[in-house]
Amino acid sequence: ETGVTQSPTHLIKTRGQQVTLRCSSQSGHNTVSWYQQALGQGPQFIFQYYREEENGRGNFPPRFSGLQFPNYSSELNVNALELDDSALYLCASSITGPVDEKLFFGSGTQLSVL
Amino acid sequence: AQSVSQHNHHVILSEAASLELGCNYSYGGTVNLFWYVQYPGQHLQLLLKYFSGDPLVKGIKGFEAEFIKSKFSFNLRKPSVQWSDTAEYFCAVNGWTGRRALTFGSGTRLQVQP
Repeated sequence: ETGVTQSPTHLIKTRGQQVTLRCSSQSGHNTVSWYQQALGQGPQFIFQYYREEENGRGNFPPRFSGLQFPNYSSELNVNALELDDSALYLCASSITGPVDEKLFFGSGTQLSVL
Repeated sequence: AQSVSQHNHHVILSEAASLELGCNYSYGGTVNLFWYVQYPGQHLQLLLKYFSGDPLVKGIKGFEAEFIKSKFSFNLRKPSVQWSDTAEYFCAVNGWTGRRALTFGSGTRLQVQP
């Protein structure tokens, strides 16, 4: 167990809808990252939040947005869903420091867009 | 931009065989290198990491990896695999961009036959 929990585990949406995915970080972790893992691919970085501020973003359009709350839980919001958004969405928490880059991953939310 | 290539997409071995999974990256600066493993039905977890120092790093479960800077490689090895090593293996790199984002390869599916 990593201490990182994601909800829901599975979700089905239709094209054009909006979705919110949730993540509860491991206790004491101040940083959360979100990754998209398409079938047969490695995880792809979406963005990272540190102390409630976006701290880096990958090559994803603005309809992918996020929030980090004071208790370090986090949300990933995707607007105007497209078929290609179907993927496993992974949340990873960590402690931002000078050296340690170990990420603790959740089990993910499997999103299907029809 | 940094990228990671894993040339072996699917590897099938018998128990006790030796394993070497290739990983090459493209990034001109200082990098941190990782191998993550995803066992069937489980979350991604860190196998080993390289930040600096001895280029031969040892991880959990008897795995090791060697960083060869001149070849931009970070290959994963294990002298004798077990059936329980059946999993998907991801190589990842984190260039020190301040963004702390991991760039993952597409993964290698290892199947160990008893």
